[in-house]
Amino acid sequence: GAGVSQSPRYKVAKRGQDVALRCDPISGHVSLFWYQQALGQGPEFLTYFQNEAQLDKSGLPSDRFFAERPEGSVSTLKIQRTQQEDSAVYLCASSLGHAQSQETQYFGPGTRLLVL
Amino acid sequence: GENVEQHPSTLSVQEGDSAVIKCTYSDSASNYFPWYKQELGKRPQLIIDIRSNVGEKKDQRIAVTLNKTAKHFSLHITETQPEDSAVYFCAATKSNTGNQFYFGTGTSLTVIP
Repeated sequence: GAGVSQSPRYKVAKRGQDVALRCDPISGHVSLFWYQQALGQGPEFLTYFQNEAQLDKSGLPSDRFFAERPEGSVSTLKIQRTQQEDSAVYLCASSLGHAQSQETQYFGPGTRLLVL
Repeated sequence: GENVEQHPSTLSVQEGDSAVIKCTYSDSASNYFPWYKQELGKRPQLIIDIRSNVGEKKDQRIAVTLNKTAKHFSLHITETQPEDSAVYFCAATKSNTGNQFYFGTGTSLTVIP
């Protein structure tokens, strides 16, 4: 079946622009996660949704970052007034649930954001 | 929160040899430990995982061991092949609590033909 998809795959933004990154999780997956992956590093947690509820946003680096999942499926990560330090790959992952045996996360291909 | 450390950061082995990557974690409540393989420019792909109620799990040439007392777990790849070359990430999480994954910093494995 279809895996997690993300769009766009690449985004170049001028400093100060707003960007919106989209994630389509695996159908039926309750949990959705956003991670930020800097070059040569492991993914770092940004935020987590269970259905439409954003249960954890402790990893968002500043109030310029905002995420939503209004209908419990597609999610959008928005970054306002982008800065050069926002340049990274943004990965989306989904899992069936959060209970034991449902927690395996499946990743999308990521959006590579470059802020000039 | 959880802190996962991974080493080595780079590893080169001859084709056919074994490769071992080690990770430690800090939160004794963590109970699920996946390993991901990430090829350049591609998505992380789950290759094996282990839960805290077992000490070892094997899948063909790949095995993972877990020592809960010492809070460390390791990935073992035997009979390495050039297509095993990639970056490998370990992660730790607590099931049933929202389970964000805490990742290690990655190991770049090169298998030399």
